[in-house]
Amino acid sequence: DIQMTQSPSSLSASVGDRVTITCRASQSISTYLNWYQQKPGRAPKLLIYAATNLQSGVPSRFSGSGSGTDFSLTISSLRPEDFSTYYCQQSFSSPRYTFGQGTKLDIK
Amino acid sequence: QIQLVQSGAEVKKPGSSVKVSCKASGGTFTSYTFNWVRQAPGQGLEWMGRIVPLYGTTYYAQKFQGSVTITADESTSTVYMELSSLRSEDTAVYYCASEPQYSSTYGMDVWGQGTTVTVSS
Repeated sequence: DIQMTQSPSSLSASVGDRVTITCRASQSISTYLNWYQQKPGRAPKLLIYAATNLQSGVPSRFSGSGSGTDFSLTISSLRPEDFSTYYCQQSFSSPRYTFGQGTKLDIK
Repeated sequence: QIQLVQSGAEVKKPGSSVKVSCKASGGTFTSYTFNWVRQAPGQGLEWMGRIVPLYGTTYYAQKFQGSVTITADESTSTVYMELSSLRSEDTAVYYCASEPQYSSTYGMDVWGQGTTVTVSS
């Protein structure tokens, strides 16, 4: 199975900060990598698909990069509503998927 | 765009089974693949399996092989996830999530609201 490892597991930042979350795959997954945001008590929301593509309706301050085994999600200027937990998910091994363990982003 | 509405919360005894439904509306049912993802309290997301209604094919995470059954009823545009031999560790919120049937590249872009399953004696 392909393992997905996110870092850091938690992160404290301030409104207006630029933050980057990384995700590493245990083997090359090309660009079959998606990012989700989840707020407490809510279903996850797709932010980025295929490593770099912004899902419709997602603010442009979110961006994704990477290919192969190393990926990142960047928020260019944090807004209060961005403090959430973020997950990466690989679809290279379709039809079976795996998620990273999550990164909790909270207010400093 | 498709919308997914799941059945309500369940409380089950250890050793029993639970069947959670996910009703799709607003799109062509067979144009989508439906995944089940669970989240134990305070934990991360765990992919369980998926069904491709167009072909009737199912795929399960190795961990859930033999304990999870995912089915689909095209007549009602509803997907079901049945989990058997429940243990306390199965206490979680269970989500269904859809993606385009033709490609796994686009991510799970529509999610149900989640169904809380509590396993307790």
